[in-house]
Amino acid sequence: ETGVTQTPRHLVMGMTNKKSLKCEQHLGHNAMYWYKQSAKKPLELMFVYSLEERVENNSVPSRFSPECPNSSHLFLHLHTLQPEDSALYLCASSQELGREFDNEQFFGPGTRLTVL
Amino acid sequence: LAKTTQPISMDSYEGQEVNITCSHNNIATNDYITWYQQFPSQGPRFIIQGYKTKVTNEVASLFIPADRKSSTLSLPRVSLSDTAVYYCLVGDDRYSSASKIIFGSGTRLSIRP
Repeated sequence: ETGVTQTPRHLVMGMTNKKSLKCEQHLGHNAMYWYKQSAKKPLELMFVYSLEERVENNSVPSRFSPECPNSSHLFLHLHTLQPEDSALYLCASSQELGREFDNEQFFGPGTRLTVL
Repeated sequence: LAKTTQPISMDSYEGQEVNITCSHNNIATNDYITWYQQFPSQGPRFIIQGYKTKVTNEVASLFIPADRKSSTLSLPRVSLSDTAVYYCLVGDDRYSSASKIIFGSGTRLSIRP
């Protein structure tokens, strides 16, 4: 138990569906991240939020839309996805950005997404 | 951006010491080196972090030579439960530029009885 929870753990959706992934951290952290992990590919950083403000968007298609209503919650809204978007989506948090050292990221268990 | 290179896979036996080396030739002055462990269907878990020389904690040791172009994660006396993927991560998020944090492909470590 890392203090970061994600729901749902598994999601199957069609290409025309709209769904949302939820992440919650109970660690009092100020930075939150979305990663995508496809089979046989490295972890890809998608979005970073610091104090509820988006500070990074790594050229992610607009069919992925993040939302950070407060420092404890992070959402990833999905719409019109493609089969190649099927992957494990991981949420992480860290104490803060701009921290010189010991900025360990705590990961949630991930949401296994399948797009049909 | 500092890219990392690790062996794709390694095998070892219970009770052995395992050393996984990561190359990061373009490491920047401000970059730290971090290692994570990931079990199947779980998120990565922090193992150790260092900047230079040697760092040791209750789980592992991290050796970083003076030129910092590589680093070695050392796992003493591994057990079956150490079977996982190990990621070497080089980055610096001190200036809120988290895209500098890049996970490599990882090393799949398999421990046999």
